[in-house]
Amino acid sequence: SQTIHQWPATLVQPVGSPLSLECTVEGTSNPNLYWYRQAAGRGLQLLFYSVGIGQISSEVPQNLSASRPQDRQFILSSKKLLLSDSGFYLCAWSVMVSDEAFFGQGTRLTVV
Amino acid sequence: ILNVEQSPQSLHVQEGDSTNFTCSFPSSNFYALHWYRWETAKSPEALFVMTLNGDEKKKGRISATLNTKEGYSYLYIKGSQPEDSATYLCAPWATNKLIFGTGTLLAVQP
Repeated sequence: SQTIHQWPATLVQPVGSPLSLECTVEGTSNPNLYWYRQAAGRGLQLLFYSVGIGQISSEVPQNLSASRPQDRQFILSSKKLLLSDSGFYLCAWSVMVSDEAFFGQGTRLTVV
Repeated sequence: ILNVEQSPQSLHVQEGDSTNFTCSFPSSNFYALHWYRWETAKSPEALFVMTLNGDEKKKGRISATLNTKEGYSYLYIKGSQPEDSATYLCAPWATNKLIFGTGTLLAVQP
């Protein structure tokens, strides 16, 4: 069966520090991978998606970047965090347009 | 940018009430419409994936309809229960990505 792992669950980081959130998927090949963020009081905003290794599409200009070094690994990074980067980050995967997306457990990031 | 609107933003109902939410999305280049249920402290979970105009899907007390020509979908909950309390998200599929609406927050009072 397919599973998705996302870590860490919570993170408190000072402004200006780097960030690395990792997501891995098991049990499927060549999935579409996504990073979403929910800022306080807002909905789920798509940050990045990837349809294959090394292929990253950015949805909004921001202080973050994403990489996909392996087929089932998706990493969200920042060189210097801002206060506005605080939020709840979710990784997700899907295969086909007609199939549901599956979400990781999320990371609560607080930048202080 | 794909504009996805959900209404109402929040809803408070009494246990046993039936309720419905609306999702509006661009009708051009339609592929699929997803509905998700997101409980506090959990991950979003899929309720329905709908692809055909006129589609109607049902899971227990929850059902959804789809109108791709006019770009809207309704989600219905019959006889709401406290465990139905959650945020309900819709997301049209747009070229390899799901774009979520801001959601409808449902609170069911016992």
